[in-house]
Amino acid sequence: DVKVTQSSRYLVKRTGEKVFLECVQDMDHENMFWYRQDPGLGLRLIYFSYDVKMKEKGDIPEGYSVSREKKERFSLILESASTNQTSMYLCASIPRFSYTQYFGPGTRLTVL
Amino acid sequence: SQQGEEDPQALSIQEGENATMNCSYKTSINNLQWYRQNSGRGLVHLILIRSNEREKHSGRLRVTLDTSKKSSSLLITASRAADTASYFCATDASGTYKYIFGTGTRLKVLA
Repeated sequence: DVKVTQSSRYLVKRTGEKVFLECVQDMDHENMFWYRQDPGLGLRLIYFSYDVKMKEKGDIPEGYSVSREKKERFSLILESASTNQTSMYLCASIPRFSYTQYFGPGTRLTVL
Repeated sequence: SQQGEEDPQALSIQEGENATMNCSYKTSINNLQWYRQNSGRGLVHLILIRSNEREKHSGRLRVTLDTSKKSSSLLITASRAADTASYFCATDASGTYKYIFGTGTRLKVLA
């Protein structure tokens, strides 16, 4: 079974802190994604990566950056957390020649 | 704005009944997928239908796609309490993996 893990289920940070959200997949997938999910807005794509050291902006990249130094790991970075970044963050991956996304369990981030 | 919009936003049915939810989208698509999300968890892929397909089945799930109307429907037959979840459609307009998700339908199946 494909396994996508996220470093924390729940995280509480203070405004202005630098926040790292880690995502690891164990199936050698090329493509990895970060979404945020907010009530009434569904999932919105922040960034995605189709290869090591490659990244593409999604629909809402402002205030976020990403890092993909190894194929299995995709990190989302909030350089200076703000209260409007309080949300559920979901990581996903897709193998080559497929369209099926495999999601992690999510990280619920609260910024105070 | 969201590419996919599901309707209804919420649906409550009795166990054993069928549940139908709809998704509309705005631009041409490569494929459309349906996902399920149990409360507070990640999404699970249910079924994918390509733009040249009209209907697809998987177990108790039936998905239809009408590209002329830019809409899809997901039918869950003989629903069970365990089907209680939110259901999302996702479209890949450009084939670049830049998926756009709808806002979801919350399904509640009463035992």
